[in-house]
Amino acid sequence: DIVMTQSPDSVAVSLGERATINCRSSQNILSSSSGKNYLAWYRQKPGQPPELLIYWASTRQSGVPDRFSGSGSGTDFALTISSLQPEDVAVYYCQQAYTTPLTFGGGTRVEIK
Amino acid sequence: QVKLVQSGAEVKEPGASVKVSCKASGFTFTHYGFNWVRQAPGQGLEWMGWISAYNGHTNYAAKLQGRVTVTTDASTNTAHIEVRSLTSDDTAVYFCARDRVGVNPMKDFDYWGQGTLVTVSS
Repeated sequence: DIVMTQSPDSVAVSLGERATINCRSSQNILSSSSGKNYLAWYRQKPGQPPELLIYWASTRQSGVPDRFSGSGSGTDFALTISSLQPEDVAVYYCQQAYTTPLTFGGGTRVEIK
Repeated sequence: QVKLVQSGAEVKEPGASVKVSCKASGFTFTHYGFNWVRQAPGQGLEWMGWISAYNGHTNYAAKLQGRVTVTTDASTNTAHIEVRSLTSDDTAVYFCARDRVGVNPMKDFDYWGQGTLVTVSS
């Protein structure tokens, strides 16, 4: 199974400041045939299901604010929130979509400083 | 609009079975696949399995194979998951989630159900 490792476990950022979350996969999740990195990011607010923010490592899902951006390739990825808003207090998960079993990172909690 | 509405919370004894449903609306059910993801209390997300609502093909996480069955009913636009031989380790919120792209299944998920809490306790 592909192991997804996120860091840090938690981060506290002032409103309007930048937050960056890292995600590493235990093997390459870049498809040589499609050229796509099969990596997704989700935000899970307390008591709610996860919501898709980013797929293919850097493509924003429809309706997601442009303060969210994804980057990286191969095994190392990052999610950046350029200007933290109150509604971004949540746990963020990365997920590899390269092969089954699909696996998630352990999550990163984002809080307001 | 797209909606996935799940059945209500369940309390089961160890060794019992549970079946959770996920009723879809707002899109053509048979054009998509459905995944099941669970989350133990205070823990992360675990993918359990997938089913195509088009042809019934399934794919399960190896650790759950043989103990979990996912099905769909196109007449009611509903997906189901059954988990047998429950233990306390199965206590979790169970989510259904739709494949973002129907023709490219088991990748990422664009719509999720609200979650169903299954508690296993004697």
